This record gives sequence, C-alpha cells and structure tokens, in this order.
Amino acid sequence: GQQLNQSPQSMFIQEGEDVSMNCTSSSIFNTWLWYKQDPGEGPVLLIALYKAGELTSNGRLTAQFGITRKDSFLNISASIPSDVGIYFCAGPGGGGSQGNLIFGKGTKLSVKP
Amino acid sequence: GAGVSQSPSNKVTEKGKDVELRCDPISGHTALYWYRQSLGQGLEFLIYFQGNSAPDKSGLPSDRFSAERTGGSVSTLTIQRTQQEDSAVYLCASSRRRTSTDTQYFGPGTRLTVL
Repeated sequence: GQQLNQSPQSMFIQEGEDVSMNCTSSSIFNTWLWYKQDPGEGPVLLIALYKAGELTSNGRLTAQFGITRKDSFLNISASIPSDVGIYFCAGPGGGGSQGNLIFGKGTKLSVKP
Repeated sequence: GAGVSQSPSNKVTEKGKDVELRCDPISGHTALYWYRQSLGQGLEFLIYFQGNSAPDKSGLPSDRFSAERTGGSVSTLTIQRTQQEDSAVYLCASSRRRTSTDTQYFGPGTRLTVL
C-alpha cells in the first residue's frame, strides 16, 4: 500500500536556525499536506499543495510539491521556540481525491538543550 | 466558532471491556473521519462518514471496531473486547466535504489505555 517516509525522524533546533524536512512516497500523489501537532492536541494544517512544482509559503514556513509528485519539502526559517512539535506530511489515501488521508510518521522538532 | 470536540479526553480500561469514544464535528461539516495514532507513529485512517452515505470502513483493523454517526452529526467509535494493542490516541476530524482539497479539522483526541 501507499507509504509516506519522513526524514529526519527528529531534530534539535536552536532559536534562529533554519529547519528542513522532507517526505517521500513510493507512488504519485496529487495533493501534499503538511500538519503540525502540539502535545495533547490534534494536528493542524499548515500548508496544502495541489500542483507539481508548487512552492507555497505561510509566514516563516515554505513547502514545495516535488516535480516527480513523489516528494515534498517543508522549510522553517528563523525558528522560534513555539515551532517545537511534530510535523507530519500527508496525502490522500486510495490514490484519488478521497478525503481520507495517509500520514508519515512525523518529524519531531525539539529545542537544543 | 467551536472546533471539533472529543470525549473523554482520557480513558483507562481493562482488557476485555468495551469502550465508546465520542466526536462532535464542526457544525455543517458533512464529512467525519476517525484516525488512530499509536505512540511515535503517524495517524492511521479507521473509518469515514459522508452525509447519509454508507461509511467507508476500509481502515478498521478488526470487527471489534465499529462506528456510527447519528443524525449526520455526532459520531461514536466503539471498541469491543479491548486489547492492549488498542492503546492509542483516537482522533476525529471533520471537513465540509470528502475531498482532498477540503481541510480536515482535528479534535484533541481521546487517549485510550488498555491495562
């Protein structure tokens, strides 16, 4: 079945640093979504991508829909403490436009001690 | 406006007991989804409802899991004869419609612990 592989699994950030994470798939997706989950909360949608090659920003966050349609990248510039959390990529399950999503296992962002 | 709410926020039960988890979607959203999130894992799709159509149960892991949605609004996820591997956070989401372009809004989840 479809799988989304996220990397890195975890990373430590120092305030002000830029952060990059990516997500790859064994099959083509026509939509890529990036969610953030804070402890004890449900995921919240950050950025949605609908077209190969699309580059979309949301404040300090920028995400790109890979031209192969099998990958996506999320960058966070000038990180701040509230960026800590788990970031998930997601795409439509079933290979079509159905709404149920499949998720990667997440990239956990923590602050450097 | 109110977001998706779920109850209880935490549930501890003994192996073999039945549990019911409740989800109140955003008013007016016709699509409702249940997902399961095991420790350190991503979200796993369980079941989906769209209006009055038959639910998509393709993600349910076993016949011990069932869900209903009454009146096109509130949904209940029932797990019968719970097992320790059922321990997870159960998340509910709703969207205006069931398409990949409609944002899914998630509730805070119910953390289920089976002893």
